Parts: sequence; structure tokens; C-alpha cells
Amino acid sequence: AQRVTQPEKLLSVFKGAPVELKCNYSYSGSPELFWYVQYSRQRLQLLLRHISRESIKGFTADLNKGETSFHLKKPFAQEEDSAMYYCALSGYNQGGKLIFGQGTELSVKP
Amino acid sequence: DAGVTQSPTHLIKTRGQQVTLRCSPKSGHDTVSWYQQALGQGPQFIFQYYEEEERQRGNFPDRFSGHQFPNYSSELNVNALLLGDSALYLCASSPGVDRGKETQYFGPGTRLLVL
Repeated sequence: AQRVTQPEKLLSVFKGAPVELKCNYSYSGSPELFWYVQYSRQRLQLLLRHISRESIKGFTADLNKGETSFHLKKPFAQEEDSAMYYCALSGYNQGGKLIFGQGTELSVKP
Repeated sequence: DAGVTQSPTHLIKTRGQQVTLRCSPKSGHDTVSWYQQALGQGPQFIFQYYEEEERQRGNFPDRFSGHQFPNYSSELNVNALLLGDSALYLCASSPGVDRGKETQYFGPGTRLLVL
């Protein structure tokens, strides 16, 4: 079965601390992994996708096929990073149908 | 470009009624997907429209139906509403269905409350 698991509903850190939002997936095939973010009172937007291997707003994520994980990391959290983060997967050549995790709320305290 | 737009923003219905939600995709996008997001949950895929046809469907009953128009806009219809249909309904558009074109852009959503 295709599934995305985000084990933490809430992650609270202090400004300047490292952040790691966990994401594990189950998929029999070649998945494409994404992180979406939703800031307060804004729409859901793409943060990064694994095939682009970009660093967006200081965030990075590496696909680990052995551990079926796609954790999101940032070395130094900023208050403006506070938001809901959703990990999602799509099957290769499945036209972008996304399967989302339940989301993790990141709270960065001053 | 206003991006993906949805209407209405909020809606209140009673059980058994029918509802129609509307979505206009981002300029240049021809593919529209619909998601249901219950409170405290991640979005769940309902279906996707491309070239005016339903291409993929998630695990939702036939009470959920849709349509895509020649201008790529889309409607989501839900019949015989249940209390459990109360949720935020998200529309997302993408510039195609081929690999590399699937990145989805989301609208602000329509919040449906069924009483």
C-alpha cells in the first residue's frame, strides 16, 4: 500500500537550533517525494522535490531508499519557518497524484 | 496571474443536500486535481481531470463527481452530503501529466460544513 508517515504532529524548537522533520514512506515502485509547506493563512505550496535536489530557504531533504525516508532538515531554524509541513509522494509517471502525510506543525520559538 | 482560484470560500449545507465547488487553474495549466482535507489530516486525493476526462480517482464514493470544461476550469460535485463530508476541499493545477510537469499548485480551498 502507498503510504506516507510523519510521526510528529508538533515539533517545537528554538531559533537557531537545527530542525529535522521526519517522513517515511511505503511505495512499491519508484516514488517521487515532495515537501509542501503551509504558512499561516496561506495556501499550500511546494517547498522542494527530491529530483531537483535544491535547497530552498535553507531546507534540504535527501531520499533514502534503503530506509524509505525523506526527512526535511535545516541547520538553523528561523521564526519565519513556523508552519505546517506535509510530506507527499507520487508514483513515477502517475501524473502527479499526491499521497500526503498527516503533517507536522513546526513552531520556532524566539 | 492570480494562481489557482476557488469558489466559494466557505459553504454551509445540511445532510442530504448537494454541493458544487469550482476551480480555475493557474494560467497555462491544463490538469486539475481535487483533494479533501479533514481537520488535522493531510489532503486526500479525490480525482484528477485532464483533457476534460477523469484520469485518476482516489478512494471516494460515487457521490463525488467532477467535470472539466474546455477552458480547463473544473467543478467538484458532492451528492447526498454526509456530516463526514465536512472538510476543506483543495483544488490543484499542474501544467501537464508528463514527468517533470506534475508539480501541483494549490488553491486556497473551499471550507464545507455539513450540518
